[in-house]
Amino acid sequence: EAQVTQNPRYLITVTGKKLTVTCSQNMNHEYMSWYRQDPGLGLRQIYYSMNVEVTDKGDVPEGYKVSRKEKRNFPLILESPSPNQTSLYFCASGHPTNEKLFFGSGTQLSVL
Amino acid sequence: ELKVEQNPLFLSMQEGKNYTIYCNYSTTSDRLYWYRQDPGKSLESLFVLLSNGAVKQEGRLMASLDTKARLSTLHITAAVHDLSATYFCAVGNSGYALNFGKGTSLLVTP
Repeated sequence: EAQVTQNPRYLITVTGKKLTVTCSQNMNHEYMSWYRQDPGLGLRQIYYSMNVEVTDKGDVPEGYKVSRKEKRNFPLILESPSPNQTSLYFCASGHPTNEKLFFGSGTQLSVL
Repeated sequence: ELKVEQNPLFLSMQEGKNYTIYCNYSTTSDRLYWYRQDPGKSLESLFVLLSNGAVKQEGRLMASLDTKARLSTLHITAAVHDLSATYFCAVGNSGYALNFGKGTSLLVTP
């Protein structure tokens, strides 16, 4: 089944404790992206990647890191999480010739 | 900076009625998307509109795009409860980036 898999689904952590949210897709998509969703703000792009070893900042990259060492994986790293990073995070992937984006199930992160 | 505005942000409508959600964007773009999100769920792609005048329909939903006016509409015909969800429009930016509107929360009541 074609899908984008995010883990974990829920995460509660404390300020300053490094964490990684994983994202994997099995559709051989070149493009992958991370969004955060906050009430009243819609979805905002954090980082995106057009291909392996190619990443670019989105609209709200501060406090986040990403890497794209393999085509299927695009982890989101929070080196020192802060409470304002409490949010719902979505990973998405797509292919340039297929305009549709596929979204993961989301990761609800709470930073205390 | 590309800005995307949806109207209305909240919509309560009766079953059987028709209504339109509007999506305005601020700069030229060649791609516009509509997504649906159910509470606690991920986003589901509804429509992709790629050219001026494009119109797509799926069941009771119809989306259109006017690139000259920088406007897309999502029209709901004879609403049913199952359409209750949040609807997002998203506009293509540089590369493959998308800018999302804030979403329209739709509640269809008997």
